[in-house]
Amino acid sequence: SQKIEQNSEALNIQEGKTATLTCNYTNYSPAYLQWYRQDPGRGPVFLLLIRENEKEKRKERLKVTFDTTLKQSLFHITASQPADSATYLCALDMNYGQNFVFGPGTRLSVLP
Amino acid sequence: DTGVSQDPRHKITKRGQNVTFRCDPISEHNRLYWYRQTLGQGPEFLTYFQNEAQLEKSRLLSDRFSAERPKGSFSTLEIQRTEQGDSAMYLCASSPTGGTVKNIQYFGAGTRLSVL
Repeated sequence: SQKIEQNSEALNIQEGKTATLTCNYTNYSPAYLQWYRQDPGRGPVFLLLIRENEKEKRKERLKVTFDTTLKQSLFHITASQPADSATYLCALDMNYGQNFVFGPGTRLSVLP
Repeated sequence: DTGVSQDPRHKITKRGQNVTFRCDPISEHNRLYWYRQTLGQGPEFLTYFQNEAQLEKSRLLSDRFSAERPKGSFSTLEIQRTEQGDSAMYLCASSPTGGTVKNIQYFGAGTRLSVL
């Protein structure tokens, strides 16, 4: 069966440390993988997109990797800040923007 | 441009009633999506429009659900004979098909539905 999982429901880290979030999937072959941030009571906000032929993407303090053999993406936030506290969602682009599957999300708390 | 807007933000209804939600996408975006999100879960894809054509529908979308996008502009999602299990956040997103931001979804703030 098809499944998409994110490493844990909640992750607590100390300010200044690197947060690493995991997205694993089975029985999917996505063309792209995206990461979104969602704050309580708001819609998700796009952060990064990585293509199946790309290994790594960076944007400021954010880095995402994509391993299609392991069927896994890792999302890193370096020098984390309390303002980074939110739920982070990975999303598989199944058909070039026509159909997306979202993971359940990981709620990140950065403690001061 | 103010982004994707959804109306209403909150809707409380009694079981068995019909409800309709509206989504106004970003004006130059020709792709529009509807999702449902329950507490602690990620958004679940419901349906997708390219311009006015509804090209994808999830199996989650029972015959009580219908979506339209007349003239390829705003979209409506109607739920007939609501059930308590329909209580959720309904999210709309839009996306361009070209340019450097194609396939990136821009979400509205959602409509929270409570069925009593």
